[in-house]
Amino acid sequence: KQEVTQIPAALSVPEGENLVLNCSFTDSAIYNLQWFRQDPGKGLTSLLLIQSSQREQTSGRLNASLDKSSGRSTLYIAASQPGDSATYLCVFFDGSARQLTFGSGTQLTVLP
Amino acid sequence: EAQVTQNPRYLITVTGKKLTVTCSQNMNHEYMSWYRQDPGLGLRQIYYSMNVEVTDKGDVPEGYKVSRKEKRNFPLILESPSPNQTSLYFCASSPTRPGHNEQFFGPGTRLTVL
Repeated sequence: KQEVTQIPAALSVPEGENLVLNCSFTDSAIYNLQWFRQDPGKGLTSLLLIQSSQREQTSGRLNASLDKSSGRSTLYIAASQPGDSATYLCVFFDGSARQLTFGSGTQLTVLP
Repeated sequence: EAQVTQNPRYLITVTGKKLTVTCSQNMNHEYMSWYRQDPGLGLRQIYYSMNVEVTDKGDVPEGYKVSRKEKRNFPLILESPSPNQTSLYFCASSPTRPGHNEQFFGPGTRLTVL
């Protein structure tokens, strides 16, 4: 079964910094992955979806990459803002695209 | 507005008292699923449904039931809740199987079983 690890578990940065969140997985036979953010007490908001045939996706200040050979995905956030403070989760879809595996999340705090 | 709704948002109940958490989506999505989120364990899938009358177990189905009689609704049923089912529950949907499309999540239901 797929195992997903997110490092670091928590991160605190000053406003304006560029930062990278990491997600590693054990089974390269993934279908694709999705990055979410979760605000305290709220649901999950989709950020980016990368198909297995793609290497990266961009949306505004966010860029997500996928490297199946190394078992890694990274989420790059440019020019971070206090409003980016949230928990970020990566989610992998297995080869049958029926079951999902969530990472444990990285709690990001951007200090003004 | 396209959305996934869950009710109730908060629920405190006692052991053994049957309860249902409703989930509804207005986007005509085929795929729906339920997750629970617990500290240190992350999000785990309980059940999912590929379409009407098609449901399947996720990683942690014990103690839960679901039904999918209509496309828009996917209720989660706890026949005899126990304290270890105290958790934050999320319902989600996607147009087809999630690998092809984004998933949309509901706002969550915080359940406490005493």
